[in-house]
Formats: sequence, structure tokens, C-alpha cells
Amino acid sequence: AQTVTQSQPEMSVQEAETVTLSCTYDTSESDYYLFWYKQPPSRQMILVIRQEAYKQQNATENRFSVNFQKAAKSFSLKISDSQLGDAAMYFCAYRGPNSGYALNFGKGTSLLVTP
Amino acid sequence: SAVISQKPSRDICQRGTSLTIQCQVDSQVTMMFWYRQQPGQSLTLIATANQGSEATYESGFVIDKFPISRPNLTFSTLTVSNMSPEDSSIYLCSGETGGRGDTQYFGPGTRLTVL
Repeated sequence: AQTVTQSQPEMSVQEAETVTLSCTYDTSESDYYLFWYKQPPSRQMILVIRQEAYKQQNATENRFSVNFQKAAKSFSLKISDSQLGDAAMYFCAYRGPNSGYALNFGKGTSLLVTP
Repeated sequence: SAVISQKPSRDICQRGTSLTIQCQVDSQVTMMFWYRQQPGQSLTLIATANQGSEATYESGFVIDKFPISRPNLTFSTLTVSNMSPEDSSIYLCSGETGGRGDTQYFGPGTRLTVL
């Protein structure tokens, strides 16, 4: 079974600064997808960014970008110019064929943004 | 993308009773999933809701406890049966519109408290 590890239970960043959230995963599959989801206190799961394993180029979405290291099985999320609205739980998730393409989530990182 | 709604948004139930949660998608989706998020925890997959056939359950979840229906491509229900306080969680449904690498979109969740 694939495992997703987020080693940082909590992170803190000052407004306008940059923060990186780490995620590693374990898999023997070659065709898979990786996601970062954000869950604010409203508990709505919001997609932040996705990465296809076959693509070498790192995905970016405005202030959010990833550092995808396939050989190292690492998938970190960088948030630039942090805003107060970025405060939330961030979940890294893996999706591959052996799990029926359901999402396998890490334990999450709680991000605090300070003024 | 898909917009997903859930009903009820929250409920407080007595031990031994059952609650049915509804999940409605604004467009046809190929796959639907039900997840559980226990307090302060990550999301755990309960089952894949299959249209027109029995759901596929993950290890540790059984049909008698969590019966699922999916009568069409836009609607699914999850019933939490014979509830105990350990069933107090957030229950989320998700759906995706495309193929194997498609993004899953989530409903807002149902917060269940069992007394």
C-alpha cells in the first residue's frame, strides 16, 4: 500500500513571506498523481495544485508551486507571498491505479500565518 | 470542475440510531468516493460508490455498518448504521468528472456527533 508522510504537524509563516511544506510518499507504481489540498476551518477541501508523475516540470498555480523529486519520492509545496487566508490544514495526497484511483492522504500540516 | 453538495451539513444523533447522508453533484461524474475524517485526523477512504452496483469497501469498513447507494451518475448516499460515539466524525463525499488522473472535488462535509 502507498503511504504518504507529512513530517511537519505545524508550520508558521509571516505574512508576505515564503513557506515550504514537505511531503514524501512510498510507491512502486510508475503512473500516479500527487495533489495538495487545503482545508480551512470551514472544512471544505480545496484543491491547491496537482502533479502528474510522468511530467518532469513542476506544477505552479499563482503563488503556489511544487518541487517534485520523483526519484526521491518527494513532493513539497511552496507558498510565496503568504496571505492570512492561506492559514489552513494542508494535506498531501497520492492517487494511483492500485488504489482504484482513490486518494491516499497524509496526516496534514497546520499552517499558521502571522501578521 | 464539479460542485458537490451534502445534506445534512451537521447532525447530533443518539446512540443506536442511523443517519443517511446525501451527496449531490451538479454534473455527471465517473467516480464517487466517501471519506471519513475523525477529529483532528486526516481523511480515510470508506468506499468507492459504484453506479448501479455494490460499493467497494476499504479494509475496516463493512456494508452492514456503512451501506452506500449510487442510483445514478450525480447522486449517492451513505448511511451510518447503529451509531456509537466512535462514529462521531466528518463524512465527506467526492467526485471526479474525467479519467484516472482527474481531480477529485469534495463536498463540504457532514459533521456527525453521536451522543
